[in-house]
Amino acid sequence: QSALTQPASVSGSPGQSITISCTGTSSDVGGYDYVSWYQQHPGKAPKLIIYDINYRPSGVSDRFSGSKSGNTASLTISGLLAEDEAVYYCSAYTSTNTRYVFGTGTKVTVL
Amino acid sequence: QVQLVQSGAEVKKPGASVKVSCKVSGYTLSEVSMHWVRQAPGKGPEWMGGFDPENGGTLYAQNFQGRVTMTEDTSTDTAYVELSRLRSEDTAVYYCATGPTLRGNWFDPWGQGTLVTVSS
Repeated sequence: QSALTQPASVSGSPGQSITISCTGTSSDVGGYDYVSWYQQHPGKAPKLIIYDINYRPSGVSDRFSGSKSGNTASLTISGLLAEDEAVYYCSAYTSTNTRYVFGTGTKVTVL
Repeated sequence: QVQLVQSGAEVKKPGASVKVSCKVSGYTLSEVSMHWVRQAPGKGPEWMGGFDPENGGTLYAQNFQGRVTMTEDTSTDTAYVELSRLRSEDTAVYYCATGPTLRGNWFDPWGQGTLVTVSS
């Protein structure tokens, strides 16, 4: 089971919107509506920010939103803040014995 | 809410085994679905195994089958992961995390992580 493909880096200015893509296959991203996204700051554990494509856990800002089309999922961060600078990982449910797969990660830089 | 506290850092030699613990509080271990995820330096997370909602058992990721064992002690609400025949590529931070009990994909919360270093 290969890791999902994400761009290595994305940047934006404060207040702007950015979108991070996550590409998989019909066996994972395209096969189920079970895509989640995590935010990770240096030295910290990943934090769940989106699950089931576009649901936010309690306490997560509505500036984060998700979507999916075919084998590609996307995370959009609107109204970019300095605190959004982190690495973001997608994750998908799979039909294989490796039930969950993560993405390669995207470093978000706030200019 | 669930809180997960893991054991401390470990240094092991190649070929040895390591066992990491994860203490659950706020809920009992029987009430949660436990998973283990590791993250090598500079890399993305990698799911090692955990509760499989497809059959209610424990599923190990293909990359770890034959080397990993996940156990639970419900009397102390502590979960364990043991990885054997360690090699340098197993150097990583190992996390426990709770996930869905039905089909789904989310891990929340996560433990603080346990650094395992494999070096001769």
